[in-house]
Amino acid sequence: GAGVSQTPSNKVTEKGKYVELRCDPISGHTALYWYRQSLGQGPEFLIYFQGTGAADDSGLPNDRFFAVRPEGSVSTLKIQRTERGDSAVYLCASSSRGGSDTQYFGPGTRLTVL
Amino acid sequence: AQSVTQLDSHVSVSEGTPVLLRCNYSSSYSPSLFWYVQHPNKGLQLLLKYTSAATLVKGINGFEAEFKKSETSFHLTKPSAHMSDAAEYFCVVSDFGNEKLTFGTGTRLTIIP
Repeated sequence: GAGVSQTPSNKVTEKGKYVELRCDPISGHTALYWYRQSLGQGPEFLIYFQGTGAADDSGLPNDRFFAVRPEGSVSTLKIQRTERGDSAVYLCASSSRGGSDTQYFGPGTRLTVL
Repeated sequence: AQSVTQLDSHVSVSEGTPVLLRCNYSSSYSPSLFWYVQHPNKGLQLLLKYTSAATLVKGINGFEAEFKKSETSFHLTKPSAHMSDAAEYFCVVSDFGNEKLTFGTGTRLTIIP
């Protein structure tokens, strides 16, 4: 079956611009996660959705970062006033119900801020 | 608080020889522990996970890991390395009741022909 998909696969933008990154989870999965992976590092947690609501956004680095999941399926990560330090691979994962259910990862979006 | 330490940033082994990737964890509660693999230009794939059942966990592609509470370790092993095992491996911890995964910094495994 289809896995987690993310678009675009690559995004190049200029400092100060606004970007949106999209995640399509596995159909029927209620839990959705965003992580960020900087070069040479392991992924770091950003935010977790259960259904439409953000159950844990403790990993968002500052108020320039925001994520939504309005219908409990597709999610969009939004970054305002991008900075060069935002350059990273943004990963999305989904799991069936959350908790100890396995998280399945998408291929990621590589964001480059010039 | 939960954290993991991967003791080696790079490991090189010859094809057909055993693989050992070391991981130590810190967790306030009963942890779930995972190993994920990341091949170049591919997504993270779950190799195996421990969630308080048997302490010896078998995963895909011949990998296994042993949960040792007394040593706070969760080392990954494979008896015989294959060229296709070359990848980045991440040890991951999640506290009981905590949704977020905490990743180690990764170990790059190189297989020498």
